[in-house]
Amino acid sequence: DIVMTQSPDSLAVSLGERTTINCKSSQSVLSSSDNKNFLAWYQHKPGQPPRLLIYWASARLSGVPDRFSGSGSGTDFTLSISSLQAEDVAVYYCQQYYSTPQTFGQGTKVEIK
Amino acid sequence: EVQLVESGGGLVQPGGSLRLSCVASGFILSTDWMYWVRQAPGKGLVWVSRINTDGSSTTYADSVKGRFTTSRDNAKNALFLQMNSLRAEDTGVYYCARGPYGSRSYYDYWGQGSLVTVSS
Repeated sequence: DIVMTQSPDSLAVSLGERTTINCKSSQSVLSSSDNKNFLAWYQHKPGQPPRLLIYWASARLSGVPDRFSGSGSGTDFTLSISSLQAEDVAVYYCQQYYSTPQTFGQGTKVEIK
Repeated sequence: EVQLVESGGGLVQPGGSLRLSCVASGFILSTDWMYWVRQAPGKGLVWVSRINTDGSSTTYADSVKGRFTTSRDNAKNALFLQMNSLRAEDTGVYYCARGPYGSRSYYDYWGQGSLVTVSS
């Protein structure tokens, strides 16, 4: 199984500040045949289902604010929030869908400082 | 508007059974692979199973293999998760999700979640 490791486990950020969450996979999730990274990011708030933010490592889902961006390739990925808003308080998960079982990181809790 | 509405969760004793349902609206279920993901209390997200478009192929996490069965009724736009021989460690919120990219997909729409509690 591919192990996904996120860092940090939690962070507190001031409103308007930039936030960066890292995700590392134990094996590459880059498909050489189509040059796609099989990596997604989700936002999860209490009492709600997870919400897809980013897929193919850097493609933003329609309707997701452009302050959210994803980058990286192979085994190292990053989710950035350019200017943290109050509504961004949540747990964020990376997920690899390159191989089965599809696995998630342990989550990163983002709070307001 | 795409929606996935889940039902069937509840309290069950260890060794018991439960069947979750997930009814889709706003899209044709038969065109997409579907997935189940769960979250134990205070823990992260864990993939449980997937099913192909016509229900002929299913895959399961090792932790539920042989106990859980995923099926679908495309005529009713519905997905199911039959859970047998339930254990305390199966307690959690179960989500159905749509995978628009087939067997190796991210999940773009999720159900609201069904709480399953396994306890005596």
